[in-house]
Amino acid sequence: DVKVTQSSRYLVKRTGEKVFLECVQDMDHENMFWYRQDPGLGLRLIYFSYDVKMKEKGDIPEGYSVSREKKERFSLILESASTNQTSMYLCASSWTNYGYTFGSGTRLTVV
Amino acid sequence: KQEVTQIPAALSVPEGENLVLNCSFTDSAIYNLQWFRQDPGKGLTSLLLIQSSQREQTSGRLNASLDKSSGRSTLYIAASQPGDSATYLCAVNAGNNRKLIWGLGTSLAVNP
Repeated sequence: DVKVTQSSRYLVKRTGEKVFLECVQDMDHENMFWYRQDPGLGLRLIYFSYDVKMKEKGDIPEGYSVSREKKERFSLILESASTNQTSMYLCASSWTNYGYTFGSGTRLTVV
Repeated sequence: KQEVTQIPAALSVPEGENLVLNCSFTDSAIYNLQWFRQDPGKGLTSLLLIQSSQREQTSGRLNASLDKSSGRSTLYIAASQPGDSATYLCAVNAGNNRKLIWGLGTSLAVNP
């Protein structure tokens, strides 16, 4: 079974902290994605990567950065966490034009 | 610009009913369409992927169809069970940019 593993299910961080969310996939997928999901707004793409060290902005990249140093790992970084970044964060991976596989999500609360 | 709509937003049915969830999209030029299930507070589980050249896909009690010309996909759930209660999302791969366009989902409750 393809697996996408997110390092934490729940995180509580303080305003202004630097936050790292980690995602690892084991299927040699070239594409990896970070979404956030909020009630009434659906899934919104933050960043995606189609190759090692390559990244593209999604629909809401402000306040976030990403890192992909190895093919299997894609990290989302909140440079200075704010309360409006409290959300469910979902990582996914895929081969191009094939189905997505999602991780189990990280519920981040910024206080 | 591709847009994806799922109607209804919520659905409540008695156990055992056959039901249909709808997904419509505005641009027929798609690569594929994927249906997902999401349980409360959890990640998304892929149910079915339909490539643009296909008309339908089946997995157990689930059947998804795709009609590109009319911009519609349906997810058919046979003999619904309380364990089917979840939010069902459809997403369209609208081009060679690797990104998905998402509907807001249908929240399904199957009552015993």
